Amino acid sequence: GQQLNQSPQSMFIQEGEDVSMNCTSSSIFNTWLWYKQDPGEGPVLLIALYKAGELTSNGRLTAQFGITRKDSFLNISASIPSDVGIYFCAGNTGANSKLTFGKGITLSVRP
Amino acid sequence: EPEVTQTPSHQVTQMGQEVILRCVPISNHLYFYWYRQILGQKVEFLVSFYNNEISEKSEIFDDQFSVERPDGSNFTLKIRSTKLEDSAMYFCASSEQGPSGEQYFGPGTRLTVT
Repeated sequence: GQQLNQSPQSMFIQEGEDVSMNCTSSSIFNTWLWYKQDPGEGPVLLIALYKAGELTSNGRLTAQFGITRKDSFLNISASIPSDVGIYFCAGNTGANSKLTFGKGITLSVRP
Repeated sequence: EPEVTQTPSHQVTQMGQEVILRCVPISNHLYFYWYRQILGQKVEFLVSFYNNEISEKSEIFDDQFSVERPDGSNFTLKIRSTKLEDSAMYFCASSEQGPSGEQYFGPGTRLTVT
């Protein structure tokens, strides 16, 4: 079935640093979404991407939809302590209604 | 800002009991979803619902599961006879634009089956 790969499982950065997260798939996706999840809460939508090559920003966050439609990355610039959490990529093929999620990357920010 | 709400936040039930998890999607959204997340794992799709019927369901969504939109605002997930392995966070989501649109998630219901 469709799978989204996120690695590493955990990332540790210093406050103020930039960080980049990648998400790859062997399948083509028509929509890429990036979510952040805090412990015990639901995923919160950060950025949605709809076109191959699209680059979209939301404050300190920037995400791109890969040209091949098989990958996406999320950049966080000038990290702050509240950036701590689990970052999930999710994709939709457009042929169906479900979102396929990656396993997530746990981000820790050292003050 | 409109948001998806879910009740209860935590439900504890005994194995074999029926549970109903409730959701109020964002008011102008027409597409509704249930997902689950077993502790420490990724979010998994269960079912999608549009125009008062199931659009798609996963292998997890077997005969023990059912969904309903009993009125104009609520969207429910029923598990008829819970099993230990049903213990998970259950998230409701909704979208305005359909399958490829942005899906907004509720805070979740933590289901614990003992």
